[in-house]
Amino acid sequence: AQKITQTQPGMFVQEKEAVTLDCTYDTSDPSYGLFWYKQPSSGEMIFLIYQGSYDQQNATEGRYSLNFQKARKSANLVISASQLGDSAMYFCAMRGGGATNKLIFGTGTLLAVQP
Amino acid sequence: DTGVSQDPRHKITKRGQNVTFRCDPISEHNRLYWYRQTLGQGPEFLTYFQNEAQLEKSRLLSDRFSAERPKGSFSTLEIQRTEQGDSAMYLCASSLGSGTLSGANVLTFGAGSRLTVL
Repeated sequence: AQKITQTQPGMFVQEKEAVTLDCTYDTSDPSYGLFWYKQPSSGEMIFLIYQGSYDQQNATEGRYSLNFQKARKSANLVISASQLGDSAMYFCAMRGGGATNKLIFGTGTLLAVQP
Repeated sequence: DTGVSQDPRHKITKRGQNVTFRCDPISEHNRLYWYRQTLGQGPEFLTYFQNEAQLEKSRLLSDRFSAERPKGSFSTLEIQRTEQGDSAMYLCASSLGSGTLSGANVLTFGAGSRLTVL
């Protein structure tokens, strides 16, 4: 069975500093995808970044980068130069093999950016 | 394209009543998903449609829950005889899908329908 673990219920970071949100996963599928979503207080899940299991390089999208360590089964999200608007819940998710694109989510990390 | 739309955004009902949520996906997306999210948890998968066919249902989807996507466009999620444990955010998402694993098939979520059962 697939599983996503996020061990940090909450994190604080100072504005303009970088922060790393942890995510570990478990799967027996040889091919899978890892995603990070942001959920502000409004409730909508916003896609941030994707990493495929066969991708050779770590994914980057603007201030977001994914530190993918396949042997350790970790896919940590790094946010550089934090902004007040980054305060939100962050969810790590995994999509396994098979025909569906169904995502399995972790429990999330609440990030608070302090001025 | 205005993204994934969900209606209503908020619903308060009494225990035992039926409720129905509607989801309008992104028009060119053939896949549609329903998730449930309770306070402090990540979204949990409920069910998935490819076009009008319901291809997967979670064990979380009891027989009081039914979902349809009659013409392969919008979808409805109905909960019959609501219970207080049904109180949650119900999220709809859509994606393209070709049956192969592809990073391009990102799930786009709606803002959710929050259900409160009194």
